[in-house]
Amino acid sequence: AQTVTQSQPEMSVQEAETVTLSCTYDTSESDYYLFWYKQPPSRQMILVIRQEAYKQQNATENRFSVNFQKAAKSFSLKISDSQLGDAAMYFCVVTGANSKLTFGKGITLSVRP
Amino acid sequence: EPEVTQTPSHQVTQMGQEVILRCVPISNHLYFYWYRQILGQKVEFLVSFYNNEISEKSEIFDDQFSVERPDGSNFTLKIRSTKLEDSAMYFCASNPRDRRTDTQYFGPGTRLTVL
Repeated sequence: AQTVTQSQPEMSVQEAETVTLSCTYDTSESDYYLFWYKQPPSRQMILVIRQEAYKQQNATENRFSVNFQKAAKSFSLKISDSQLGDAAMYFCVVTGANSKLTFGKGITLSVRP
Repeated sequence: EPEVTQTPSHQVTQMGQEVILRCVPISNHLYFYWYRQILGQKVEFLVSFYNNEISEKSEIFDDQFSVERPDGSNFTLKIRSTKLEDSAMYFCASNPRDRRTDTQYFGPGTRLTVL
Protein backbone atom coordinates (compact mmCIF):
# COMPACT_ATOMS: atom_id res chain seq x y z
CA ALA A 1 0.00 0.00 0.00
CA GLN A 2 1.10 3.55 -0.64
CA THR A 3 0.36 6.63 1.41
CA VAL A 4 0.99 10.32 0.81
CA THR A 5 0.99 12.92 3.55
CA GLN A 6 0.62 16.62 2.98
CA SER A 7 0.49 18.05 6.46
CA GLN A 8 -0.02 21.71 5.55
CA PRO A 9 -3.60 22.37 4.45
CA GLU A 10 -2.91 25.95 3.31
CA MET A 11 -0.05 28.21 2.40
CA SER A 12 0.24 31.76 1.20
CA VAL A 13 2.99 33.45 -0.78
CA GLN A 14 3.64 36.97 -1.99
CA GLU A 15 3.69 37.39 -5.75
CA ALA A 16 7.25 37.04 -7.13
CA GLU A 17 8.43 35.23 -3.99
CA THR A 18 9.36 31.58 -3.57
CA VAL A 19 7.30 28.99 -1.76
CA THR A 20 7.92 25.35 -0.89
CA LEU A 21 5.15 22.80 -0.50
CA SER A 22 6.07 19.74 1.52
CA CYS A 23 5.11 16.11 1.04
CA THR A 24 6.13 12.80 2.50
CA TYR A 25 5.13 9.42 1.23
CA ASP A 26 5.44 5.77 2.01
CA THR A 27 5.67 2.90 -0.41
CA SER A 28 6.92 -0.67 -0.30
CA GLU A 29 7.91 -0.56 -3.95
CA SER A 30 11.47 -0.08 -5.07
CA ASP A 31 10.52 1.53 -8.36
CA TYR A 32 7.92 4.26 -8.37
CA TYR A 33 7.11 7.70 -9.69
CA LEU A 34 6.18 10.92 -7.96
CA PHE A 35 4.14 13.80 -9.30
CA TRP A 36 2.78 17.15 -8.33
CA TYR A 37 -0.59 17.96 -9.84
CA LYS A 38 -2.25 21.36 -9.70
CA GLN A 39 -6.01 21.83 -9.46
CA PRO A 40 -7.17 25.42 -10.05
CA PRO A 41 -10.72 26.54 -9.25
CA SER A 42 -11.87 25.10 -12.58
CA ARG A 43 -11.18 21.66 -10.97
CA GLN A 44 -9.08 20.52 -13.95
CA MET A 45 -6.15 18.36 -12.81
CA ILE A 46 -2.93 19.61 -14.39
CA LEU A 47 0.47 17.94 -14.19
CA VAL A 48 3.11 20.28 -12.77
CA ILE A 49 6.18 18.08 -12.51
CA ARG A 50 7.21 14.44 -12.36
CA GLN A 51 10.13 12.59 -10.74
CA GLU A 52 11.33 9.06 -11.35
CA ALA A 53 12.43 7.50 -8.08
CA TYR A 54 15.47 5.87 -9.66
CA LYS A 55 16.85 9.26 -10.71
CA GLN A 56 18.94 11.10 -8.17
CA GLN A 57 18.72 14.39 -10.02
CA ASN A 58 15.85 16.59 -8.94
CA ALA A 59 13.33 17.37 -11.65
CA THR A 60 12.83 20.96 -12.77
CA GLU A 61 10.22 22.50 -15.02
CA ASN A 62 10.68 26.23 -15.57
CA ARG A 63 9.75 27.91 -12.25
CA PHE A 64 8.93 24.59 -10.60
CA SER A 65 11.47 22.27 -9.03
CA VAL A 66 11.44 19.44 -6.55
CA ASN A 67 13.62 18.40 -3.66
CA PHE A 68 13.49 14.62 -3.73
CA GLN A 69 14.99 12.91 -0.70
CA LYS A 70 14.51 9.21 -1.35
CA ALA A 71 15.85 7.92 1.97
CA ALA A 72 13.61 10.29 3.88
CA LYS A 73 10.69 9.65 1.48
CA SER A 74 10.24 13.34 1.05
CA PHE A 75 9.18 15.13 -2.12
CA SER A 76 8.73 18.88 -1.83
CA LEU A 77 7.77 21.31 -4.57
CA LYS A 78 9.42 24.69 -4.89
CA ILE A 79 7.70 27.43 -6.87
CA SER A 80 9.95 30.34 -7.74
CA ASP A 81 8.78 33.79 -8.82
CA SER A 82 5.21 32.97 -7.78
CA GLN A 83 2.48 34.27 -10.05
CA LEU A 84 -1.20 34.92 -9.41
CA GLY A 85 -2.02 32.03 -11.73
CA ASP A 86 -0.19 29.64 -9.41
CA ALA A 87 -3.03 29.93 -6.89
CA ALA A 88 -4.60 26.47 -6.76
CA MET A 89 -4.80 23.24 -4.82
CA TYR A 90 -1.59 21.20 -5.20
CA PHE A 91 -1.57 17.44 -4.84
CA CYS A 92 1.44 15.27 -4.19
CA VAL A 93 0.98 11.90 -5.90
CA VAL A 94 2.82 8.59 -6.01
CA THR A 95 2.39 5.67 -8.36
CA GLY A 96 3.92 2.24 -8.42
CA ALA A 97 3.79 -1.00 -10.35
CA ASN A 98 0.02 -1.15 -10.36
CA SER A 99 -0.17 2.27 -12.04
CA LYS A 100 -2.90 3.70 -9.89
CA LEU A 101 -2.20 7.14 -8.53
CA THR A 102 -2.30 7.68 -4.77
CA PHE A 103 -3.03 11.29 -3.88
CA GLY A 104 -2.28 13.31 -0.79
CA LYS A 105 -5.00 15.49 0.71
CA GLY A 106 -3.70 18.52 -1.12
CA ILE A 107 -2.59 21.97 -0.08
CA THR A 108 -4.33 25.20 -1.01
CA LEU A 109 -1.87 27.80 -2.20
CA SER A 110 -2.90 31.43 -2.32
CA VAL A 111 -0.81 34.13 -3.96
CA ARG A 112 -0.97 37.67 -2.60
CA PRO A 113 -0.60 40.49 -5.14
CA GLU B 1 -2.64 19.68 -28.17
CA PRO B 2 -4.82 16.59 -27.69
CA GLU B 3 -6.71 16.39 -24.43
CA VAL B 4 -9.06 14.16 -22.51
CA THR B 5 -12.66 15.31 -22.66
CA GLN B 6 -15.57 14.45 -20.38
CA THR B 7 -19.31 14.90 -20.67
CA PRO B 8 -21.44 16.15 -19.11
CA SER B 9 -19.64 18.74 -17.03
CA HIS B 10 -22.38 18.55 -14.42
CA GLN B 11 -24.99 15.84 -13.88
CA VAL B 12 -27.82 16.06 -11.40
CA THR B 13 -29.76 12.89 -10.66
CA GLN B 14 -32.19 11.43 -8.17
CA MET B 15 -31.07 8.78 -5.72
CA GLY B 16 -31.56 5.33 -7.18
CA GLN B 17 -31.24 6.43 -10.78
CA GLU B 18 -28.61 5.16 -13.19
CA VAL B 19 -26.01 7.56 -14.56
CA ILE B 20 -23.43 7.20 -17.28
CA LEU B 21 -20.41 9.45 -17.28
CA ARG B 22 -18.56 9.71 -20.57
CA CYS B 23 -14.92 10.26 -21.37
CA VAL B 24 -13.00 10.49 -24.62
CA PRO B 25 -9.35 9.68 -23.88
CA ILE B 26 -6.48 10.93 -26.03
CA SER B 27 -6.61 8.92 -29.23
CA ASN B 28 -3.34 6.96 -29.07
CA HIS B 29 -3.59 6.20 -25.37
CA LEU B 30 -4.06 2.64 -24.22
CA TYR B 31 -4.65 2.82 -20.47
CA PHE B 32 -7.69 4.44 -18.91
CA TYR B 33 -8.70 5.32 -15.39
CA TRP B 34 -11.51 6.74 -13.32
CA TYR B 35 -10.94 8.68 -10.11
CA ARG B 36 -13.35 10.51 -7.88
CA GLN B 37 -13.05 13.44 -5.53
CA ILE B 38 -15.70 14.00 -2.91
CA LEU B 39 -15.89 17.71 -2.07
CA GLY B 40 -13.17 18.66 0.36
CA GLN B 41 -11.54 15.24 0.28
CA LYS B 42 -8.65 13.65 -1.53
CA VAL B 43 -8.79 12.19 -5.00
CA GLU B 44 -9.43 8.43 -4.90
CA PHE B 45 -8.67 5.78 -7.48
CA LEU B 46 -11.68 3.83 -8.74
CA VAL B 47 -10.59 1.63 -11.62
CA SER B 48 -8.02 1.10 -14.34
CA PHE B 49 -8.79 -0.39 -17.75
CA TYR B 50 -6.62 -1.83 -20.49
CA ASN B 51 -7.25 -3.99 -23.53
CA ASN B 52 -10.97 -3.97 -22.91
CA GLU B 53 -10.83 -5.24 -19.40
CA ILE B 54 -10.43 -3.98 -15.88
CA SER B 55 -6.80 -4.08 -14.72
CA GLU B 56 -7.44 -3.09 -11.15
CA LYS B 57 -10.26 -1.70 -9.06
CA SER B 58 -10.53 -0.21 -5.62
CA GLU B 59 -12.85 -1.15 -2.78
CA ILE B 60 -15.07 1.76 -3.79
CA PHE B 61 -15.70 0.17 -7.18
CA ASP B 62 -18.40 -2.27 -6.12
CA ASP B 63 -21.13 -4.00 -8.10
CA GLN B 64 -22.93 -0.69 -8.61
CA PHE B 65 -20.11 0.52 -10.84
CA SER B 66 -19.11 -0.64 -14.28
CA VAL B 67 -16.86 0.62 -17.05
CA GLU B 68 -16.97 0.10 -20.76
CA ARG B 69 -15.20 1.14 -23.93
CA PRO B 70 -18.10 0.64 -26.32
CA ASP B 71 -16.76 2.02 -29.58
CA GLY B 72 -12.99 2.42 -29.45
CA SER B 73 -13.12 6.09 -28.52
CA ASN B 74 -15.47 6.56 -25.58
CA PHE B 75 -14.74 5.26 -22.10
CA THR B 76 -17.76 5.24 -19.81
CA LEU B 77 -18.42 4.87 -16.10
CA LYS B 78 -21.88 3.67 -15.15
CA ILE B 79 -23.37 3.85 -11.70
CA ARG B 80 -26.44 1.61 -11.63
CA SER B 81 -28.32 2.93 -8.63
CA THR B 82 -26.88 6.16 -7.34
CA LYS B 83 -26.60 6.94 -3.65
CA LEU B 84 -26.25 10.31 -1.96
CA GLU B 85 -22.62 9.49 -1.15
CA ASP B 86 -21.83 9.10 -4.86
CA SER B 87 -21.99 12.88 -5.16
CA ALA B 88 -18.48 13.83 -6.20
CA MET B 89 -16.29 15.04 -9.00
CA TYR B 90 -15.39 12.16 -11.32
CA PHE B 91 -12.18 12.38 -13.32
CA CYS B 92 -11.20 10.28 -16.28
CA ALA B 93 -7.50 9.88 -17.10
CA SER B 94 -5.47 8.14 -19.78
CA ASN B 95 -1.86 7.41 -20.58
CA PRO B 96 -0.21 6.23 -23.76
CA ARG B 97 2.11 3.30 -23.49
CA ASP B 98 3.55 2.15 -20.23
CA ARG B 99 0.82 2.54 -17.66
CA ARG B 100 3.26 3.00 -14.88
CA THR B 101 5.88 5.33 -16.21
CA ASP B 102 3.88 7.54 -18.45
CA THR B 103 1.98 10.47 -17.11
CA GLN B 104 -1.74 10.20 -16.66
CA TYR B 105 -3.59 13.02 -18.40
CA PHE B 106 -6.81 14.06 -16.75
CA GLY B 107 -10.07 15.27 -18.19
CA PRO B 108 -11.85 18.31 -16.75
CA GLY B 109 -14.14 16.16 -14.63
CA THR B 110 -17.87 15.60 -14.28
CA ARG B 111 -19.55 16.93 -11.19
CA LEU B 112 -22.21 14.42 -10.11
CA THR B 113 -24.89 15.60 -7.72
CA VAL B 114 -27.24 12.99 -6.29
CA LEU B 115 -30.40 14.36 -4.68
